[in-house]
Amino acid sequence: KNEVEQSPQNLTAQEGEFITINCSYSVGISALHWLQQHPGGGIVSLFMLSSGKKKHGRLIATINIQEKHSSLHITASHPRDSAVYICAVRATNKLIFGTGTLLAVQP
Amino acid sequence: DSGVTQTPKHLITATGQRVTLRCSPRSGDLSVYWYQQSLDQGLQFLIQYYNGEERAKGNILERFSAQQFPDLHSELNLSSLELGDSALYFCASSVVAGGVNEQFFGPGTRLTVL
Repeated sequence: KNEVEQSPQNLTAQEGEFITINCSYSVGISALHWLQQHPGGGIVSLFMLSSGKKKHGRLIATINIQEKHSSLHITASHPRDSAVYICAVRATNKLIFGTGTLLAVQP
Repeated sequence: DSGVTQTPKHLITATGQRVTLRCSPRSGDLSVYWYQQSLDQGLQFLIQYYNGEERAKGNILERFSAQQFPDLHSELNLSSLELGDSALYFCASSVVAGGVNEQFFGPGTRLTVL
């Protein structure tokens, strides 16, 4: 079993829909990162969380440390949100990555 | 643009060869991380350097080595290359060595081993 599990693996949405991507982990962590990887390959850090909730534009990330679970929400989704979203946890000075969620937002 | 640069962008080489990937961190960042992203393994942490010293080691093969120089740029050396080493190699940098700190990723080097 992977230490970091993401669901769903693939997600297709219509423009304007509310999207949720989930991440569960089984190790002790000091922080959790949400990353975005576009088809060109570049990786952008969206959020870094150690507790609670963060919001940036249409993106919201939450974490529940007790339940070892985090969610990434996208409100009013847009085709430009189409990308792979990767959850990564920081455990003992290294990042452990989930396998990613491939999101396609159709116009 | 994250401020982290990597060269080259693409590299095509043959099995058995040796290559060097280069990473320049963001100005002021002391820590450099190397990651490998392959189709079958996903993203994996390879190694971290902080201010010139090795800080943490992940799933790095013995054929691979890295170093961080006094000007803080880092190089990842891959030798005796195999087909399975074909992957995207990312470096990232952060201000501090550990704790809760954000990492900024470079654009990656795409290595193809033929």
